[in-house]
Amino acid sequence: DAMVIQNPRYQVTQFGKPVTLSCSQTLNHNVMYWYQQKSSQAPKLLFHYYDKDFNNEADTPDNFQSRRPNTSFCFLDIRSPGLGDAAMYLCATRRQAEAFFGQGTRLTVV
Amino acid sequence: GIQVEQSPPDLILQEGANSTLRCNFSDSVNNLQWFHQNPWGQLINLFYIPSGTKQNGRLSATTVATERYSLLYISSSQTTDSGVYFCAAFSGSARQLTFGSGTQLTVLP
Repeated sequence: DAMVIQNPRYQVTQFGKPVTLSCSQTLNHNVMYWYQQKSSQAPKLLFHYYDKDFNNEADTPDNFQSRRPNTSFCFLDIRSPGLGDAAMYLCATRRQAEAFFGQGTRLTVV
Repeated sequence: GIQVEQSPPDLILQEGANSTLRCNFSDSVNNLQWFHQNPWGQLINLFYIPSGTKQNGRLSATTVATERYSLLYISSSQTTDSGVYFCAAFSGSARQLTFGSGTQLTVLP
């Protein structure tokens, strides 16, 4: 059974049109992460939550925001997507020192 | 934070061959993970291996924490093993996972 679930798997959005990616977990883990991955590169951390404690990486663009209404759900909002935001977006949770990833959402900006 | 380096960056094998992927890290860590990213982009946990050796079918991994490296062994490779292999670790009190740059593995039929 999938433990970290991301929806949708594929998302196409128009340049400048706000888009929201979602992530849910059935693991009841305190820590959740959003990563961005562009082709042929390692995942890059955008945000993480420890419970409700939100941490924004210094180089995460202002265009990106996140919400975590409860332990199970986390959202990534891109306010005005540009062509450079096309990427795979990965959500993860953490138990002690082990991370678990969802299937990812591949975002295309047209 | 820690630095994580992987080698080789690219590896092409004939089906049935064996391979070893290496991960070096700059500081002592008490955790290390290996992931396989499949062609659809999903990161699949292979091993959580802070130290010692683990095996899962044709794959095994060894971490020598005192010498700051980990190895992933793939035996009798299959075309479905193709993809990118990442190692990653959390450092000290840091809450973020640091990834290596990955090894792109291609297994030819």
